[in-house]
Amino acid sequence: AQTVTQSQPEMSVQEAETVTLSCTYDTSESNYYLFWYKQPPSRQMILVIRQEAYKQQNATENRFSVNFQKAAKSFSLKISDSQLGDTAMYFCAYTGTASKLTFGTGTRLQVTL
Amino acid sequence: EADIYQTPRYLVIGTGKKITLECSQTMGHDKMYWYQQDPGMELHLIHYSYGVNSTEKGDLSSESTVSRIRTEHFPLTLESARPSHTSQYLCASTPGGSHYEQYFGPGTRLTVT
Repeated sequence: AQTVTQSQPEMSVQEAETVTLSCTYDTSESNYYLFWYKQPPSRQMILVIRQEAYKQQNATENRFSVNFQKAAKSFSLKISDSQLGDTAMYFCAYTGTASKLTFGTGTRLQVTL
Repeated sequence: EADIYQTPRYLVIGTGKKITLECSQTMGHDKMYWYQQDPGMELHLIHYSYGVNSTEKGDLSSESTVSRIRTEHFPLTLESARPSHTSQYLCASTPGGSHYEQYFGPGTRLTVT
């Protein structure tokens, strides 16, 4: 069975600074996808960024980028130029051939002035 | 935001009552999911469906049941609510393979007294 681990329950970052959220996973599959989802307070969960395992290049979406280390099974999210609107729960998630998401326990990110 | 809807958004109900949580999507997605989100925010898959008349139990055992009679509709039913069912329930859908993101509804926060 696949597992996803987020070892940082809470993090805080000042506005305009950079923060990195950690995620590790375990799988025996060779084809899979990794995601970071964001759940703002009292709002819907939305996709932040996606990474295909067969792609060596790290995914980027504006201020969000990942550091994907396949051999280490590590998938961290970097948020640059943090904004107050980035305050949310961030979930790392894995999906393989079964099209089912396995989530980590989440990291609560607080962006402060 | 995605076109996936959940009603009610909040529900407080007494022990022993039968309840149905509604989930609908207008995107024509074949795959739909129900997640239970703990107070600590961890998400667990409790049911999923890959199409009409197809339903499967997820990774977390649940006393709830689901049905999929129409593509756009995936209701979840609890025949006899108990305080242990108090949680947030999130519905999600995706158009196809593993590389697609899941689109999440706003959730139903259920409290059983």
